[in-house]
Amino acid sequence: SQQGEEDPQALSIQEGENATMNCSYKTSINNLQWYRQNSGRGLVHLILIRSNEREKHSGRLRVTLDTSKKSSSLLITASRAADTASYFCATEAGGFKTIFGAGTRLFVKA
Amino acid sequence: SQTIHQWPATLVQPVGSPLSLECTVEGTSNPNLYWYRQAAGRGLQLLFYSVGIGQISSEVPQNLSASRPQDRQFILSSKKLLLSDSGFYLCAWNPGASGSYEQFFGPGTRLTVL
Repeated sequence: SQQGEEDPQALSIQEGENATMNCSYKTSINNLQWYRQNSGRGLVHLILIRSNEREKHSGRLRVTLDTSKKSSSLLITASRAADTASYFCATEAGGFKTIFGAGTRLFVKA
Repeated sequence: SQTIHQWPATLVQPVGSPLSLECTVEGTSNPNLYWYRQAAGRGLQLLFYSVGIGQISSEVPQNLSASRPQDRQFILSSKKLLLSDSGFYLCAWNPGASGSYEQFFGPGTRLTVL
């Protein structure tokens, strides 16, 4: 069963707007990661937030984590056409396993 | 620097034929290795992972198997492919050291079973 579930499933915005994607998970975690996947390619790691952190920034990315609600959000500010991709949250499921959600497809219109 | 290779990039196979997908990692030693499958427009399904040579953990019972004959080589196999085996297969690695959770993905193999 999937640990993380993203919403929305798809998001279409104009260049320059902010994009927010949410992830919910079911069990306790040690950390949560966000990955990006361009069409037909492998995934690329964006950012990791640990369970004792509430917010983390990396360039135009801002990730929040609310362990009481078992949810996380990824905000991409001032989006660009090149940000068009699928975004996945992933949780460390104990041992060496990482479980990925179904992803949010982001389309940024130029 | 570390690199991860997968081949072939694309594969079209008839139902009932065997399968062998290969993944190799360069520039690191004793990595954790992973095989995922991704259906069109969907998330990743963890199939197998390995923390060392000859050590394979299976996550989903199915007609696929995995082997790790060398430290940086991970092979996904099937004796008889099913239509439902079609998908995008991704290999990934992480350093395996304590606190290293980031996974590094290969370019993937797109498998179509006809």
